Amino acid sequence: AQSVSQHNHHVILSEAASLELGCNYSYGGTVNLFWYVQYPGQHLQLLLKYFSGDPLVKGIKGFEAEFIKSKFSFNLRKPSVQWSDTAEYFCAVNARSGGYNKLIFGAGTRLAVHP
Amino acid sequence: EADIYQTPRYLVIGTGKKITLECSQTMGHDKMYWYQQDPGMELHLIHYSYGVNSTEKGDLSSESTVSRIRTEHFPLTLESARPSHTSQYLCASSNPRQATYEQYFGPGTRLTVT
Repeated sequence: AQSVSQHNHHVILSEAASLELGCNYSYGGTVNLFWYVQYPGQHLQLLLKYFSGDPLVKGIKGFEAEFIKSKFSFNLRKPSVQWSDTAEYFCAVNARSGGYNKLIFGAGTRLAVHP
Repeated sequence: EADIYQTPRYLVIGTGKKITLECSQTMGHDKMYWYQQDPGMELHLIHYSYGVNSTEKGDLSSESTVSRIRTEHFPLTLESARPSHTSQYLCASSNPRQATYEQYFGPGTRLTVT
């Protein structure tokens, strides 16, 4: 069965620290990969996505992610976090199942950035 | 501005009551979804729709039902709420002509059944 695994459930960082959130998926077909972010009290919103082409994807607010097909991974990175990056981050993969496309989400990583 | 709306944002209700969670989108998207999310857990797809008069069950079994009479509206109904229905419910939509399959989410309804 398809699944998405996020390695860290809670991450605490100080401002200016570097961030890397791990995401691995299990799906043998062609994948589209996503990172969504949910700031406190706000909608889930798309941070970045991989569809095809360059495996290094740049998103909003200085985030980037690298698709490594051989490792089934799509880790999220940011070189220097800010307090405003405090949020919950969800990795998702689009998979085709039973004739329809669906998003499979990881359990999320809650990031707290301290000033 | 095109967006996706959910009401109510928070609902506390007693066991046995019938409830309807509203979801509307102004993006003209054909596909719509309902997810259930418990704290610290994955989002689980409970219902989806390809368009008007189309409804399908998702991966997670749910006692809720949905309807899609209009493109922009996708309400979810629980005929008799139980404490096990306590959760957050997220509505989403997507444009099937958008090859990247991304979904756009509403703010969610946090339901507590006492």
